[in-house]
Amino acid sequence: DQQVKQNSPSLSVQEGRISILNCDYTNSMFDYFLWYKKYPAEGPTFLISISSIKDKNEDGRFTVFLNKSAKHLSLHIVPSQPGDSAVYFCAASASGGNQFYFGTGTSLTVIP
Amino acid sequence: KAGVTQTPRYLIKTRGQQVTLSCSPISGHRSVSWYQQTPGQGLQFLFEYFSETQRNKGNFPGRFSGRQFSNSRSEMNVSTLELGDSALYLCASSLALRRTGNEKLFFGSGTQLSVL
Repeated sequence: DQQVKQNSPSLSVQEGRISILNCDYTNSMFDYFLWYKKYPAEGPTFLISISSIKDKNEDGRFTVFLNKSAKHLSLHIVPSQPGDSAVYFCAASASGGNQFYFGTGTSLTVIP
Repeated sequence: KAGVTQTPRYLIKTRGQQVTLSCSPISGHRSVSWYQQTPGQGLQFLFEYFSETQRNKGNFPGRFSGRQFSNSRSEMNVSTLELGDSALYLCASSLALRRTGNEKLFFGSGTQLSVL
């Protein structure tokens, strides 16, 4: 049972434009969400996180939005750069839990 | 500060064999989690250890097992390998994974296991 879903396996964006990656979850107990970036042959690296008490968190070119009522979060990258080309995973966890649930990933390609 | 170290990076085994993967967490991190990544399946949770105790286990058969040592280093073992076990196995460490609000996982580069 996939509790965290990324329905777009891939996304292509022109350099300089906005990239929007989406993630949906089913478990209403999730209250902490993270985005990870993964290059081939490397482990995922942490990008940005958001707690359920917020609806937006920014870090430079990266912004994560959380819509709790829709159980939906999105990652905005502005402006997109070729170095952003990677697979992006969203992850979620619940208070008191010892496990993060990951989505299946979205492969982002930024075209120069 | 050294990151999470996984050894070996690559491994080729045949069906029926067993394999042991190793993970050294970031110094001071007491929680170690293991994930399996296969194309199209994302990261599937295997298990999590904290202070040498398995706190949580994913939906994998008993052929997958692990342990954690007193220095927080962890090993994962897969017995009677099957072709479908071919995957990237990732280890991640964190301070405590006790939901302190800013907890996050730090991943190693993984062990790419190929079962022939």
